[in-house]
Amino acid sequence: EDQVTQSPEALRLQEGESSSLNCSYTVSGLRGLFWYRQDPGKGPEFLFTLYSAGEEKEKERLKATLTKKESFLHITAPKPEDSATYLCAVRTSSNTGKLIFGQGTTLQVKP
Amino acid sequence: SQTIHQWPATLVQPVGSPLSLECTVEGTSNPNLYWYRQAAGRGLQLLFYSVGIGQISSEVPQNLSASRPQDRQFILSSKKLLLSDSGFYLCAWKGESNQPQHFGDGTRLSIL
Repeated sequence: EDQVTQSPEALRLQEGESSSLNCSYTVSGLRGLFWYRQDPGKGPEFLFTLYSAGEEKEKERLKATLTKKESFLHITAPKPEDSATYLCAVRTSSNTGKLIFGQGTTLQVKP
Repeated sequence: SQTIHQWPATLVQPVGSPLSLECTVEGTSNPNLYWYRQAAGRGLQLLFYSVGIGQISSEVPQNLSASRPQDRQFILSSKKLLLSDSGFYLCAWKGESNQPQHFGDGTRLSIL
């Protein structure tokens, strides 16, 4: 069965304290791994797509990497506005485009 | 540019009442459309998806149904709501090939 697991469930950082979020997956055939950011009461906002092991994407303080079994979202020198829930999802079918989501990591950055 | 609209933003309904949530997409044609439910502090559970007008696939057995009467309109319905139908409902769309899904801002549904 296809599965996505994110860790940790919650993460508290001081402003400027870098860290990483983990997304491990078990799928029959990967057609993309997606990272989203979700603010309270809002829909998820797309951040990155990764397709193959070794691929990396960057946006401001965020950097996503992918291996054959997991993905990391690295947050460098975070700011309080980076506080949100970060969701990881995998796609196994290009035709339907369905995503399987992890449970998310809730990040709180304190000033 | 493409936009997605969901309404209402919040809804409070009594048990046993009907439900209709609407989602529309602008700026694209023939999108794939999706309905998700998100329980508090949890990930997203896919409920329904559609790859074209009148084509609906259900992912989990439940008290809900979906319809796609027009290319860019997706409706989530129920004839009689249960307490367990409470949650945050999200609509999403996807364009061609391996593009990401894009989400609306959701409907918070509370059943009393």
